Amino acid sequence: GENVEQHPSTLSVQEGDSAVIKCTYSDSASNYFPWYKQELGKRPQLIIDIRSNVGEKKDQRIAVTLNKTAKHFSLHITETQPEDSAVYFCAAISGGSYIPTFGRGTSLIVHP
Amino acid sequence: SAVISQKPSRDICQRGTSLTIQCQVDSQVTMMFWYRQQPGQSLTLIATANQGSEATYESGFVIDKFPISRPNLTFSTLTVSNMSPEDSSIYLCSVESGGGSDTQYFGPGTRLTVL
Repeated sequence: GENVEQHPSTLSVQEGDSAVIKCTYSDSASNYFPWYKQELGKRPQLIIDIRSNVGEKKDQRIAVTLNKTAKHFSLHITETQPEDSAVYFCAAISGGSYIPTFGRGTSLIVHP
Repeated sequence: SAVISQKPSRDICQRGTSLTIQCQVDSQVTMMFWYRQQPGQSLTLIATANQGSEATYESGFVIDKFPISRPNLTFSTLTVSNMSPEDSSIYLCSVESGGGSDTQYFGPGTRLTVL
């Protein structure tokens, strides 16, 4: 089955800095990679996703990159703000399976 | 995206009892799922709730402990049976957005504490 590794487990940055979270996956059949943000006591919220036919996708201050050859994908947050503080989960899904395999999560702390 | 609600939002239960969690969606969806999230942990899939047939359980989860109902395309229940303190967790339902997108959206969760 699929295995998703996520690093780092904790990331502490100053407001305005950039943050990068990296994930690797094992199943070459995986073709959909969503990222979720979970604030304390809240539900996981989809913030960005990428499919295997695209190398990069951007939405304002967040971007995701995908390297299919190396089987890794990354979340990039620029100009971080305190409200970006949350746990971020990456996931990988094989085509047609509907079942994501989640990473263990990264706790991002943005210091004002 | 679909609007998903769960009831109850939280509960404190005694060991040996059972709790049924409800998940309601504002539109018809084919795929509904139940997850468990233990404190500080990632999301673990319990089962896929299938409309008109038995749920499909993931390894480590059994129907006797986590019976699931899916009477229609907008509603599902998860029961946590014969609870022990180890069942203390957040339970989340999710739905696949449809159209083969594979995107899942989560309900607000039910925070369960077992004493």
